[in-house]
Amino acid sequence: DAGITQSPRHKVTETGTPVTLRCHQTENHRYMYWYRQDPGHGLRLIHYSYGVKDTDKGEVSDGYSVSRSKTEDFLLTLESATSSQTSVYFCAISESRLTSGLQETQYFGPGTRLLVL
Amino acid sequence: QKEVEQDPGPLSVPEGAIVSLNCTYSNSAFQYFMWYRQYSRKGPELLMYTYSSGNKEDGRFTAQVDKSSKYISLFIRDSQPSDSATYLCAMDIIQGAQKLVFGQGTRLTINP
Repeated sequence: DAGITQSPRHKVTETGTPVTLRCHQTENHRYMYWYRQDPGHGLRLIHYSYGVKDTDKGEVSDGYSVSRSKTEDFLLTLESATSSQTSVYFCAISESRLTSGLQETQYFGPGTRLLVL
Repeated sequence: QKEVEQDPGPLSVPEGAIVSLNCTYSNSAFQYFMWYRQYSRKGPELLMYTYSSGNKEDGRFTAQVDKSSKYISLFIRDSQPSDSATYLCAMDIIQGAQKLVFGQGTRLTINP
Protein backbone atom coordinates (compact mmCIF):
# COMPACT_ATOMS: atom_id res chain seq x y z
CA ASP A 1 0.00 0.00 0.00
CA ALA A 2 1.07 3.54 -0.71
CA GLY A 3 1.90 5.46 2.46
CA ILE A 4 -1.55 6.88 3.09
CA THR A 5 -3.35 6.74 6.39
CA GLN A 6 -6.77 8.07 7.28
CA SER A 7 -8.10 8.86 10.72
CA PRO A 8 -10.42 8.04 12.23
CA ARG A 9 -11.31 4.85 10.39
CA HIS A 10 -14.82 4.81 11.80
CA LYS A 11 -16.90 7.58 13.30
CA VAL A 12 -20.46 7.97 14.51
CA THR A 13 -21.68 11.48 15.14
CA GLU A 14 -24.88 13.43 15.52
CA THR A 15 -26.50 15.84 13.10
CA GLY A 16 -25.23 19.37 13.54
CA THR A 17 -21.85 18.51 15.04
CA PRO A 18 -18.56 19.40 13.34
CA VAL A 19 -16.41 16.55 12.06
CA THR A 20 -12.83 16.57 10.81
CA LEU A 21 -11.26 13.72 8.89
CA ARG A 22 -7.53 13.52 8.43
CA CYS A 23 -5.45 12.17 5.59
CA HIS A 24 -1.71 11.71 6.06
CA GLN A 25 0.78 10.71 3.36
CA THR A 26 4.44 9.77 3.55
CA GLU A 27 5.02 9.83 -0.24
CA ASN A 28 5.57 13.60 -0.60
CA HIS A 29 3.08 13.66 -3.49
CA ARG A 30 1.90 17.06 -4.68
CA TYR A 31 -1.80 16.34 -5.19
CA MET A 32 -4.26 15.15 -2.57
CA TYR A 33 -7.94 14.43 -3.00
CA TRP A 34 -11.05 13.68 -0.94
CA TYR A 35 -13.77 11.46 -2.40
CA ARG A 36 -16.97 10.07 -0.99
CA GLN A 37 -18.38 6.71 -2.02
CA ASP A 38 -22.09 5.95 -1.90
CA PRO A 39 -24.13 3.08 -3.36
CA GLY A 40 -25.19 3.84 -6.92
CA HIS A 41 -22.75 6.75 -7.27
CA GLY A 42 -19.27 5.27 -7.31
CA LEU A 43 -16.68 7.71 -6.01
CA ARG A 44 -17.28 11.44 -6.29
CA LEU A 45 -14.66 14.13 -5.82
CA ILE A 46 -15.31 16.53 -2.94
CA HIS A 47 -12.19 18.74 -2.87
CA TYR A 48 -8.61 18.46 -3.97
CA SER A 49 -5.31 20.16 -3.26
CA TYR A 50 -2.50 20.95 -5.67
CA GLY A 51 -0.07 22.19 -3.04
CA VAL A 52 0.22 23.58 0.47
CA LYS A 53 -2.63 26.05 1.03
CA ASP A 54 -3.84 25.49 -2.56
CA THR A 55 -7.21 23.79 -2.78
CA ASP A 56 -10.18 23.70 -5.11
CA LYS A 57 -13.71 22.31 -5.24
CA GLY A 58 -14.79 19.06 -6.78
CA GLU A 59 -18.16 17.76 -7.92
CA VAL A 60 -19.83 17.55 -4.49
CA SER A 61 -18.20 20.22 -2.34
CA ASP A 62 -21.27 21.77 -0.67
CA GLY A 63 -21.15 21.32 3.11
CA TYR A 64 -17.42 20.49 3.14
CA SER A 65 -14.25 22.49 3.61
CA VAL A 66 -10.61 21.44 3.41
CA SER A 67 -7.24 22.63 4.55
CA ARG A 68 -3.68 21.70 3.73
CA SER A 69 -1.05 23.41 5.90
CA LYS A 70 1.63 20.78 5.27
CA THR A 71 2.46 18.64 2.25
CA GLU A 72 1.68 15.47 4.13
CA ASP A 73 -1.69 16.37 5.68
CA PHE A 74 -5.06 17.09 4.07
CA LEU A 75 -8.04 17.70 6.35
CA LEU A 76 -11.70 17.42 5.41
CA THR A 77 -14.18 19.23 7.66
CA LEU A 78 -17.92 18.88 7.82
CA GLU A 79 -18.87 22.13 9.56
CA SER A 80 -22.30 20.86 10.61
CA ALA A 81 -22.81 17.22 9.76
CA THR A 82 -26.06 16.10 8.12
CA SER A 83 -27.46 12.61 7.57
CA SER A 84 -26.83 12.99 3.82
CA GLN A 85 -23.11 13.09 4.61
CA THR A 86 -23.20 9.52 5.91
CA SER A 87 -20.74 7.84 3.57
CA VAL A 88 -17.35 6.25 3.15
CA TYR A 89 -14.68 8.88 2.63
CA PHE A 90 -11.49 8.13 0.72
CA CYS A 91 -8.35 10.18 0.50
CA ALA A 92 -6.11 9.81 -2.55
CA ILE A 93 -2.74 11.16 -3.65
CA SER A 94 -0.95 11.59 -6.94
CA GLU A 95 2.32 13.04 -8.11
CA SER A 96 2.74 15.87 -10.60
CA ARG A 97 2.23 15.18 -14.27
CA LEU A 98 5.39 14.63 -16.22
CA THR A 99 6.23 17.22 -18.84
CA SER A 100 5.15 14.76 -21.51
CA GLY A 101 1.61 14.99 -20.17
CA LEU A 102 1.49 11.46 -18.85
CA GLN A 103 -0.64 10.74 -15.85
CA GLU A 104 0.65 9.46 -12.58
CA THR A 105 -1.22 6.83 -10.67
CA GLN A 106 -3.70 8.00 -8.05
CA TYR A 107 -3.33 5.97 -4.84
CA PHE A 108 -6.17 5.61 -2.37
CA GLY A 109 -6.19 5.35 1.40
CA PRO A 110 -8.16 2.75 3.39
CA GLY A 111 -11.23 4.94 3.88
CA THR A 112 -13.20 6.40 6.80
CA ARG A 113 -16.73 5.19 7.48
CA LEU A 114 -18.85 8.06 8.79
CA LEU A 115 -22.34 7.65 10.16
CA VAL A 116 -24.34 10.79 10.96
CA LEU A 117 -27.36 10.09 13.14
CA GLN B 1 -27.36 11.94 -17.04
CA LYS B 2 -24.12 10.82 -15.44
CA GLU B 3 -20.91 11.52 -17.34
CA VAL B 4 -19.84 7.90 -16.87
CA GLU B 5 -22.32 5.02 -16.79
CA GLN B 6 -21.46 1.55 -15.52
CA ASP B 7 -23.77 -1.39 -14.96
CA PRO B 8 -23.69 -1.94 -11.18
CA GLY B 9 -24.46 -5.64 -11.48
CA PRO B 10 -24.09 -7.68 -9.37
CA LEU B 11 -22.42 -10.08 -11.77
CA SER B 12 -21.82 -13.69 -10.76
CA VAL B 13 -19.89 -16.14 -12.97
CA PRO B 14 -18.22 -19.55 -12.52
CA GLU B 15 -14.49 -19.87 -12.06
CA GLY B 16 -12.61 -19.93 -15.36
CA ALA B 17 -15.19 -17.85 -17.23
CA ILE B 18 -14.34 -14.80 -19.31
CA VAL B 19 -15.73 -11.66 -17.70
CA SER B 20 -16.61 -8.49 -19.58
CA LEU B 21 -17.11 -5.23 -17.70
CA ASN B 22 -18.14 -2.09 -19.52
CA CYS B 23 -18.55 1.67 -19.18
CA THR B 24 -19.95 4.32 -21.46
CA TYR B 25 -19.21 8.01 -21.22
CA SER B 26 -20.54 11.24 -22.64
CA ASN B 27 -17.63 13.67 -22.35
CA SER B 28 -15.49 13.48 -25.49
CA ALA B 29 -12.72 15.38 -23.64
CA PHE B 30 -11.84 12.28 -21.60
CA GLN B 31 -8.42 11.03 -22.68
CA TYR B 32 -7.23 8.87 -19.82
CA PHE B 33 -9.09 5.71 -18.93
CA MET B 34 -8.56 3.55 -15.90
CA TRP B 35 -9.92 0.47 -14.18
CA TYR B 36 -9.76 0.20 -10.42
CA ARG B 37 -10.41 -2.90 -8.32
CA GLN B 38 -11.85 -2.53 -4.86
CA TYR B 39 -12.07 -5.36 -2.36
CA SER B 40 -14.68 -5.20 0.37
CA ARG B 41 -13.92 -2.50 2.96
CA LYS B 42 -10.71 -1.49 1.19
CA GLY B 43 -9.64 1.48 -0.91
CA PRO B 44 -9.62 1.20 -4.72
CA GLU B 45 -6.38 0.08 -6.35
CA LEU B 46 -5.39 0.81 -9.91
CA LEU B 47 -5.61 -2.23 -12.16
CA MET B 48 -4.97 -0.83 -15.62
CA TYR B 49 -4.85 2.46 -17.49
CA THR B 50 -4.68 3.58 -21.10
CA TYR B 51 -4.51 6.86 -22.99
CA SER B 52 -5.78 5.90 -26.40
CA SER B 53 -8.21 3.77 -28.33
CA GLY B 54 -7.28 0.13 -28.72
CA ASN B 55 -6.37 -2.75 -26.45
CA LYS B 56 -3.93 -3.04 -23.58
CA GLU B 57 -3.14 -6.40 -22.07
CA ASP B 58 -1.69 -7.26 -18.67
CA GLY B 59 -1.71 -10.93 -17.80
CA ARG B 60 -5.30 -12.11 -17.61
CA PHE B 61 -6.66 -8.58 -17.95
CA THR B 62 -7.33 -6.66 -21.17
CA ALA B 63 -8.52 -3.06 -21.28
CA GLN B 64 -10.21 -1.88 -24.43
CA VAL B 65 -11.10 1.70 -25.39
CA ASP B 66 -13.26 2.80 -28.30
CA LYS B 67 -13.28 6.60 -28.31
CA SER B 68 -15.51 6.82 -31.37
CA SER B 69 -18.24 4.98 -29.47
CA LYS B 70 -17.32 6.44 -26.06
CA TYR B 71 -17.12 2.92 -24.69
CA ILE B 72 -14.52 1.14 -22.60
CA SER B 73 -14.27 -2.47 -21.49
CA LEU B 74 -12.27 -4.66 -19.14
CA PHE B 75 -11.96 -8.35 -19.93
CA ILE B 76 -10.83 -10.90 -17.37
CA ARG B 77 -9.73 -14.28 -18.72
CA ASP B 78 -9.63 -17.47 -16.68
CA SER B 79 -11.39 -15.71 -13.82
CA GLN B 80 -10.43 -16.73 -10.28
CA PRO B 81 -12.31 -16.46 -6.96
CA SER B 82 -9.66 -13.91 -5.93
CA ASP B 83 -10.98 -11.65 -8.72
CA SER B 84 -14.22 -11.22 -6.74
CA ALA B 85 -14.39 -7.49 -6.06
CA THR B 86 -16.02 -4.30 -7.23
CA TYR B 87 -14.55 -2.94 -10.45
CA LEU B 88 -14.72 0.78 -11.12
CA CYS B 89 -13.96 2.56 -14.35
CA ALA B 90 -12.56 6.08 -14.10
CA MET B 91 -11.72 8.81 -16.59
CA ASP B 92 -9.88 12.10 -16.74
CA ILE B 93 -9.41 14.91 -19.24
CA ILE B 94 -5.67 15.36 -18.48
CA GLN B 95 -5.72 19.03 -17.54
CA GLY B 96 -4.48 20.33 -14.21
CA ALA B 97 -5.07 18.05 -11.25
CA GLN B 98 -6.17 14.46 -11.83
CA LYS B 99 -9.91 14.92 -11.20
CA LEU B 100 -11.18 11.45 -11.86
CA VAL B 101 -14.79 10.78 -12.82
CA PHE B 102 -15.86 7.31 -11.76
CA GLY B 103 -18.54 4.92 -12.89
CA GLN B 104 -20.85 3.43 -10.27
CA GLY B 105 -18.80 0.24 -10.01
CA THR B 106 -19.71 -3.35 -10.91
CA ARG B 107 -19.76 -5.92 -8.13
CA LEU B 108 -18.28 -9.18 -9.45
CA THR B 109 -18.37 -12.60 -7.80
CA ILE B 110 -16.42 -15.58 -9.17
CA ASN B 111 -17.88 -18.84 -7.91
CA PRO B 112 -15.49 -21.80 -7.36
